[in-house]
Amino acid sequence: GAVVSQHPSWVICKSGTSVKIECRSLDFQATTMFWYRQFPKQSLMLMATSNEGSKATYEQGVEKDKFLINHASLTLSTLTVTSAHPEDSSFYICSASPGIEQFFGPGTRLTVL
Amino acid sequence: AQSVTQLGSHVSVSEGALVLLRCNYSSSVPPYLFWYVQYPNQGLQLLLKYTSAATLVKGINGFEAEFKKSETSFHLTKPSAHMSDAAEYFCAVMLNRDDKIIFGKGTRLHILP
Repeated sequence: GAVVSQHPSWVICKSGTSVKIECRSLDFQATTMFWYRQFPKQSLMLMATSNEGSKATYEQGVEKDKFLINHASLTLSTLTVTSAHPEDSSFYICSASPGIEQFFGPGTRLTVL
Repeated sequence: AQSVTQLGSHVSVSEGALVLLRCNYSSSVPPYLFWYVQYPNQGLQLLLKYTSAATLVKGINGFEAEFKKSETSFHLTKPSAHMSDAAEYFCAVMLNRDDKIIFGKGTRLHILP
């Protein structure tokens, strides 16, 4: 149980385009979902916390107009990277929490050319 | 403010030897503590968690960790290392249920044949 999926697992896009990443909790309802960003050989940096039906809470330094987060249901959250640039290339990981524990998705590798 | 410090960005042990990965935390109140493992290009897998019950916590794959309040530590151990244990390990702290998780910088564990 407690499986979180992400789609796509990897994406390559051209600079200036937008990319949407989906995060789904497959067998539980998640009132809270989190989005992280991980640069090579570094730790996870929390980008934002999203609660179903309300606006996401962004961490300091994260542009909310660039990284759009939607938590439309208790099993789905999406992260849209708008007008992507090469510096946005990274590994994006989501997690979903039904309570104390967070369950992590497998991650999405974004490469912006 | 919460924080996590992992001592040693790289740790090498011989196969069959004791694994010890160090983690110290800073928190104003007893926190929830976690150890996660990450294999290359994958998401995070929970090894074990401390939630104010038993101070010695047993996890998956033979790992365990002991919560020591007096030392503000939550070190991860495994009696006998296996080649498959080679991965990145993250210690993490969470203050409240449904709160964000703060990750340490990670420790890369290398297993020597």
